Amino acid sequence: DIQMTQSPSFLSASVGDRVTINCKASQNINRYLNWYQQKLGEAPKLLISNANSLQTGIPSRFSGSGSGTDFTLTISSLQPEDVATYFCLQHNSWNTFGAGTKLELK
Amino acid sequence: QVQLKESGPGLVQPSETLSLTCTVSGFSLTSYGVNWVRQPPGKGLEWMGTIWNDGSTDYNSALKSRLSISRDTSKSQVFLKMNSLQTEDTAIYLCARDMAEGIDYWGQGVMVTVSS
Repeated sequence: DIQMTQSPSFLSASVGDRVTINCKASQNINRYLNWYQQKLGEAPKLLISNANSLQTGIPSRFSGSGSGTDFTLTISSLQPEDVATYFCLQHNSWNTFGAGTKLELK
Repeated sequence: QVQLKESGPGLVQPSETLSLTCTVSGFSLTSYGVNWVRQPPGKGLEWMGTIWNDGSTDYNSALKSRLSISRDTSKSQVFLKMNSLQTEDTAIYLCARDMAEGIDYWGQGVMVTVSS
């Protein structure tokens, strides 16, 4: 089974900061990696599919990169509404999730 | 618009069977798969299984012996049944649409507590 290691678990940043969240797969998953945002009390929202494909309606400050085993979600300029938990999902072989990153404002 | 909504009992006795329903709207179950995912309190998400658009199923090997996923396309409903529940099965259970490039839409989830 493929394991996903997500880091950091917790992140505190200021408005305007550049924020990066990482997911590392235990084996090659090509580009089959999605990123999600989940705000308190809401259903998760798909931000990026297949490593770097920004979903319609998602602000361009969100971007994804990586392939193989190492992936990054970047928020180029943090906004107050970005406070949420972010998690990755590999769908190369079944589905495995990262443990999540809780992002808060400093 | 695409919506998924989970329903079922909030409390289940140990050793009993959990039955949950995911009612979908805005898409057809013959065009998209549906996943069941769960999240125990304070822990990460665990994929449980998928029923694909053709009705075939895949299960997490750790749960396969206890889990069954089925559907009624005429009612736009997907069902989860899991037997022999234990306290460690206490979790939020979510259904989510599969777009064949992973999950795109999610329900909000339903909390299930296993306790006597």
